[in-house]
Amino acid sequence: KNEVEQSPQNLTAQEGEFITINCSYSVGISALHWLQQHPGGGIVSLFMLSSGKKKHGRLIATINIQEKHSSLHITASHPRDSAVYICAVTPLRAGNKLTFGGGTRVLVKP
Amino acid sequence: GAVVSQHPSRVICKSGTSVKIECRSLDFQATTMFWYRQFPKKSLMLMATSNEGSKATYEQGVEKDKFLINHASLTLSTLTVTSAHPEDSSFYICSAPRPGKADTQYFGPGTRLTVL
Repeated sequence: KNEVEQSPQNLTAQEGEFITINCSYSVGISALHWLQQHPGGGIVSLFMLSSGKKKHGRLIATINIQEKHSSLHITASHPRDSAVYICAVTPLRAGNKLTFGGGTRVLVKP
Repeated sequence: GAVVSQHPSRVICKSGTSVKIECRSLDFQATTMFWYRQFPKKSLMLMATSNEGSKATYEQGVEKDKFLINHASLTLSTLTVTSAHPEDSSFYICSAPRPGKADTQYFGPGTRLTVL
């Protein structure tokens, strides 16, 4: 079993819909990251969380440390949100090394 | 904001040749950089940790002699794929944590290597 599991693996939504991606992990962590990778390959860091909730524009990320679970929400989705979203964690005592989930491929149709 | 660059963005080479990929932190000093490999439609796999002034630390299963890493300065790490073969074709990405900002990581744009 992977230390970081994401669901769903693939998601298709209509423009304007609310999207939720889930991430569960099985190790103690110092931080959790949500990353976005567009088809060209470059990776952008969306959020880094160690507790609570963060919001940036139409994106919201939450984390529940006790349940070892995080969610990424996209409100009013748009075709430009189409990308792979990756959850990654910094395990305790791992320095700055990241452990990655398998990614969620999101397609938003106009 | 902090930026990490990679060069080249794309390289095509013949089997048996060596290819060097550079990762630079543009506005901060990075004593540590990470190198990842990504196969199509797969997630990132950590290959090695590049340490300025000392040897790189490789993950299990990654050949040190195949993937040479040199952290030449506080802003530059290089990954050299030696005697490349078609199975080395992949997307290579580096990242660097920003000193003083715990757990913050900045990713390079990636290098797509195709070995013919």
